[in-house]
Amino acid sequence: SSELTQDPAVSVALGQTVRITCQGDSLRGSFAIWYQQKPGQAPVLVISGKNTRPSGIPDRFSGSSSGYTASLTISGAQAEDEADYYCKSRDSSGSRLVFGGGTKLTVL
Amino acid sequence: QVQLQESGPGLVKPSETLSLTCTVSGGSISNYYWNWIRQSPGKGLEWIGNIFYSGIINYNASLKSRVTISVDTSKNQFSLNLRSVSAADTAMYYCARALFSYDVLVFDNWGQGTLVTVSS
Repeated sequence: SSELTQDPAVSVALGQTVRITCQGDSLRGSFAIWYQQKPGQAPVLVISGKNTRPSGIPDRFSGSSSGYTASLTISGAQAEDEADYYCKSRDSSGSRLVFGGGTKLTVL
Repeated sequence: QVQLQESGPGLVKPSETLSLTCTVSGGSISNYYWNWIRQSPGKGLEWIGNIFYSGIINYNASLKSRVTISVDTSKNQFSLNLRSVSAADTAMYYCARALFSYDVLVFDNWGQGTLVTVSS
């Protein structure tokens, strides 16, 4: 089982705001990294360290963290945001990486 | 723009060794961590391990006993060997480049992935 916990599925109405969360002990004191994966494609980095956005990622994507929970917020979700979203952090050893189980986002 | 391309057999027999290579083009293999990640059909992402260009290696504890990752800087390639495979190792295998963003490793470039099926 994953050391990072995500809700399996979340839905949002077109144009509304949605928050996808990731919980785990390793998130306290460390940042979660977020990836978007569309069907048949490799994942894409959407939120980098210190909740920064890589070049080319729309500013409707933002990251935040509080305690043991990291969040990916999409403000004004678009149809093209429908995808699986994965958080990633270090495991309890600190030297290995672990993904959350993923959240399937449906845009209604 | 750096590009990564996985290569290797798409079909491996149970108990044999899965061997994949990732070729890095458009950039140097130096100064980055090079990763293998897999995704079983319909499932989530699983980090397998990584190697720094200098040879420092980290493995997923659950796979450590069966995995070897190596790097060939002269060819700009890194490789994955997974021994004693079973049907549970059937997955899409991705290679990815990682660098530190503040205090965390981020995968900023991915290969397209290669599907490996374990079957007799």
